[in-house]
Amino acid sequence: EIVMTQSPATLSVSPGERATLSCRASQSVSTNLAWYQQKPGQAPRLLIYGASTRATGIPARFSGSGSGTEFTLTISSLQSEDFAVYYCQQYNNWPWTFGQGTKVEIK
Amino acid sequence: EVQLVESGGGLVQPGGSLRLSCAASGFTFSSYAMHWVRQAPGKGLEYVSAISSNGGSTFYANSVKGRFTISRDNSKNTLYLQMGSLRAEDMAVYYCARYSSGLDYWGQGTLVTVSS
Repeated sequence: EIVMTQSPATLSVSPGERATLSCRASQSVSTNLAWYQQKPGQAPRLLIYGASTRATGIPARFSGSGSGTEFTLTISSLQSEDFAVYYCQQYNNWPWTFGQGTKVEIK
Repeated sequence: EVQLVESGGGLVQPGGSLRLSCAASGFTFSSYAMHWVRQAPGKGLEYVSAISSNGGSTFYANSVKGRFTISRDNSKNTLYLQMGSLRAEDMAVYYCARYSSGLDYWGQGTLVTVSS
């Protein structure tokens, strides 16, 4: 099973600042990597698939990069609605696996 | 509008069984693989199971293999998860989700509580 490790566990950022979230895979997942956002009491929402492609309706301030084992989600200028938990997920090998999440909180 | 609505959650004793359903609408259900993902209270997301668009292929997490069965009825636009030999660690909100280059639509989830 591929282990996905996200860092940091918690990221404190001021509105308008840039946030950089990392995700590392225990073995290569090529670009079969997705990012999700989850707010309290809500289902996750797909942000990025294919490591760098924004899902439908996702603002351009969200961007993804990386391949193989190292991936990054960048939020260029945090808005109030972006404070949430973010998960990476690999879909290269079954069982598909999620990272443990990064909580982005208001500084 | 794409909608996924889960049902069937509730309280069950350890060792018991439960069947979850996910009613789909707003898209051609038979064209998409479907997935179940769960989230224990206060914890992260965990993959449970997946099924191909025609039901011919199924996949399970090691933690549920042999105890859970995923199925679908494309004539009813419904996804199922039959859960057996339930354990305390199966307690979670269970989400169904559609796969299309990532899990692009999710239901609101149904809570399964395993307790005596």
